[in-house]
Amino acid sequence: SQTIHQWPATLVQPVGSPLSLECTVEGTSNPNLYWYRQAAGRGLQLLFYSVGIGQISSEVPQNLSASRPQDRQFILSSKKLLLSDSGFYLCAWSGGLGLSAEAFFGQGTRLTVV
Amino acid sequence: AQSVTQPDIHITVSEGASLELRCNYSYGATPYLFWYVQSPGQGLQLLLKYFSGDTLVQGIKGFEAEFKRSQSSFNLRKPSVHWSDAAEYFCAVAFPGYSTLTFGKGTMLLVSP
Repeated sequence: SQTIHQWPATLVQPVGSPLSLECTVEGTSNPNLYWYRQAAGRGLQLLFYSVGIGQISSEVPQNLSASRPQDRQFILSSKKLLLSDSGFYLCAWSGGLGLSAEAFFGQGTRLTVV
Repeated sequence: AQSVTQPDIHITVSEGASLELRCNYSYGATPYLFWYVQSPGQGLQLLLKYFSGDTLVQGIKGFEAEFKRSQSSFNLRKPSVHWSDAAEYFCAVAFPGYSTLTFGKGTMLLVSP
């Protein structure tokens, strides 16, 4: 069966520090991968998605970037964190266009920038 | 532009009472439709989905949802709410031709004794 791992679960980082959140998927190949951010009362905001290795689409211009160095690995990064980067970050995967369109989510990372 | 609306930010229901959470979408054709549930500090879990066919779909935990094309709605229902159902609920749609899900802003369900 497919599983998705996301770490760390919680992170407290000072303003101006770098960020790296990692997400890996097991049990499937060539998944679509997604990074969402969730702020209180604002639902889920899609940040990045990827349909293949090295293919990244950015939905919202911001202080963050994403990379997909391997088929089942998706990384969210920042060179210098801002206070506004605080939030709950969720990684997700799906089977892709034309297949089961539902998304499966990791457990999330609570990022607090201080 | 495509959009998903959950008009209720918070809903409080007494334990044992029935529940209906509303979801409307804006799109020229029928999208794929989903309901997810999120417990505090956790990821999202899929409750049910609609792709085609029977417009009344059954999900996990006793939930069901009905797709009404004429109203562009996909409301979530449960006949008798349990205290463990307290969580945030998200409606989501996948529009044909797009690789991503679009989520509503969520409805927080509170269950009173």
